[in-house]
Amino acid sequence: IAGITQAPTSQILAAGRRMTLRCTQDMRHNAMYWYRQDLGLGLRLIHYSNTAGTTGKGEVPDGYSVSRANTDDFPLTLASAVPSQTSVYFCASSEVGGAFYEQYFGPGTRLTVT
Amino acid sequence: AQTVTQSQPEMSVQEAETVTLSCTYDTSESNYYLFWYKQPPSRQMILVIRQEAYKQQNATENRFSVNFQKAAKSFSLKISDSQLGDTAMYFCAFSGGAGNNRKLIWGLGTSLAVNP
Repeated sequence: IAGITQAPTSQILAAGRRMTLRCTQDMRHNAMYWYRQDLGLGLRLIHYSNTAGTTGKGEVPDGYSVSRANTDDFPLTLASAVPSQTSVYFCASSEVGGAFYEQYFGPGTRLTVT
Repeated sequence: AQTVTQSQPEMSVQEAETVTLSCTYDTSESNYYLFWYKQPPSRQMILVIRQEAYKQQNATENRFSVNFQKAAKSFSLKISDSQLGDTAMYFCAFSGGAGNNRKLIWGLGTSLAVNP
């Protein structure tokens, strides 16, 4: 069982380019999340999805979009990357939304926007 | 606003000794969950322990235990018999909000170094 996979592992991206970070889980979890982790700022929620077909905005959604067409996949898109989006991005999932349940994390994607 | 505070940015402990990481939170809710996550140098986030606020008994997982003081809004993590593999960032998280809007609120982390 792989759990959560993220791709790519790392990426260097020119400012203004479009980028999609991929996230796939094989645990049939209903809820999925995208976080960014920055030194001194901890983990901040970007977007979330409590069930397939629904999404919601987190703490820092500007410049990012998500979709949840099925249970397993939850891609994060940067429409036009800016240097402030340089960060480590984590995808996570939980059986049920609402934060009472353990969140399982992917290995992260390190994104550098130049 | 609901917040989580980890007042110790960095800590160190000798192998085999015991260390306690502190966490306080601010909420007006009575029913919530608290978590400690570990992030080793590999970057993988791993759940260490979970505490339900309605349970008076402190959660324990092998060498990891918590001291949950609900009235004081304190949730410290004790690591006994520290091992080199315990070297990691440790994050405290609190489930805040209501219903489907309930989200994990994270502290900024404590970097723990276990020295041989």
